[in-house]
Amino acid sequence: DVKVTQSSRYLVKRTGEKVFLECVQDMDHENMFWYRQDPGLGLRLIYFSYDVKMKEKGDIPEGYSVSREKKERFSLILESASTNQTSMYLCASSLEVPDTQYFGPGTRLTVL
Amino acid sequence: DQQVKQNSPSLSVQEGRISILNCDYTNSMFDYFLWYKKYPAEGPTFLISISSIKDKNEDGRFTVFLNKSAKHLSLHIVPSQPGDSAVYFCAASALIYGGSQGNLIFGKGTKLSVKP
Repeated sequence: DVKVTQSSRYLVKRTGEKVFLECVQDMDHENMFWYRQDPGLGLRLIYFSYDVKMKEKGDIPEGYSVSREKKERFSLILESASTNQTSMYLCASSLEVPDTQYFGPGTRLTVL
Repeated sequence: DQQVKQNSPSLSVQEGRISILNCDYTNSMFDYFLWYKKYPAEGPTFLISISSIKDKNEDGRFTVFLNKSAKHLSLHIVPSQPGDSAVYFCAASALIYGGSQGNLIFGKGTKLSVKP
């Protein structure tokens, strides 16, 4: 069974703080993804990575950066959190592209 | 422009009846389709997929139908159970693509409520 874990289920931060969201997968998948989910907007792709140290922008990368130093770990960074980044953040991984993506449990981030 | 559309934001069905969730797509290159189910405060879980060489795929109570000429797919749940109440996302991609063009494109989701 594929397992994707995220470092926190719930997180509350203040405006201007630097925020790190961590994601780890245990299936040796090449590809990892960060999405955010907002009511009525579905899943929107922030960044993705096809290999270690490789990253590509998704549909809404502004205000975010990512890091992939190891194959199993993909981090999403909010350099200076803002209230409009309050959302559910979902990490996913897949063996190939395109392919079934397996999601982590999500992190509900609230920025005050 | 949305390439994958789920035009019904919500659907309410009685327990035991059939639930039909619909999804339309615009890109004729799409040939791989998936359905995900998502409970509140959890990540989406993969339900079922279909490639364009088929027009139907079944897995237990879940069946996905693909109508390529209409660029339409649907997910049937029979019989519906209260535990099926969740948001359902359809997603599409093209197997011919690789790299960033091969990413899954998700619809906005349909919230299914199954009443006891």
